[in-house]
Amino acid sequence: QQQVKQSPQSLIVQKGGISIINCAYENTAFDYFPWYQQFPGKGPALLIAIRPDVSEKKEGRFTISFNKSAKQFSLHIMDSQPGDSATYFCAVSGGGADGLTFGKGTHLIIQP
Amino acid sequence: NAGVTQTPKFRVLKTGQSMTLLCAQDMNHEYMYWYRQDPGMGLRLIHYSVGEGTTAKGEVPDGYNVSRLKKQNFLLGLESAAPSQTSVYFCASSYSRGRGSPLHFGNGTRLTVT
Repeated sequence: QQQVKQSPQSLIVQKGGISIINCAYENTAFDYFPWYQQFPGKGPALLIAIRPDVSEKKEGRFTISFNKSAKQFSLHIMDSQPGDSATYFCAVSGGGADGLTFGKGTHLIIQP
Repeated sequence: NAGVTQTPKFRVLKTGQSMTLLCAQDMNHEYMYWYRQDPGMGLRLIHYSVGEGTTAKGEVPDGYNVSRLKKQNFLLGLESAAPSQTSVYFCASSYSRGRGSPLHFGNGTRLTVT
C-alpha cells in the first residue's frame, strides 16, 4: 500500500511560470510533511516542510499548501527558474514510524 | 564540515558477490538510515538505526544486513548480491525522530549487479 501518492511524475514549465506538484496521503496520524529537492548526482536535501496545524507555509519562491480534510499537500514554485530543474520528493512522517516515507518523485524541467 | 559521507561512490558486482557500503556522519546524529532509489520508485527505506548498537528493518530489508557499532558509522551489507539490488543507495542521518528533524543525505553509492 502506497502511503503517499505524488503527481505528476514529470513536469515541464517555462521560465517565470508556476510549478505545482501534488501529494496525497491516507494515514491521518502523519504529522510532518516535508519536501526534498534532489539534483543529479547528489542526495536529496530538505527544501521546505509544514506541520498540519497550518494551511500554508512560504519560504521565498517556494510555498507548501496543506489541506488536512482532503489529506493533500502541494508544492508551488513561483517564478520558476532553470536552476530549479531537479527531482522533487514529498514525504510524510509520524504515526509511530521512524524515518520518512517518500513519494515517487517529480522530475521538473524549467525551460529557459 | 563533511556532513554525511558514503563510500564507495560506484561499484560493480557480479551476482553472488558480497560487499559493504560505509556511511559516516560527523554531526553527532542519533538516527541513521539506508534508502535505495530506483527509477519511478522514489526512495525506499531499507534499514535504520535509532542509536549506537541498534538496528531495525524498514520497508525493503530483504537481502541486506546492517550494523551500527559506532555512533558515527552505519554499514550496509549485501551477502549475496542479486541483479534486483542494482540501485543507488543513500545514507541519511537525523538528530531525532522524523518530525521536525531534517534528514541529511550523503551523495549516494551507485551499485550495479551483473
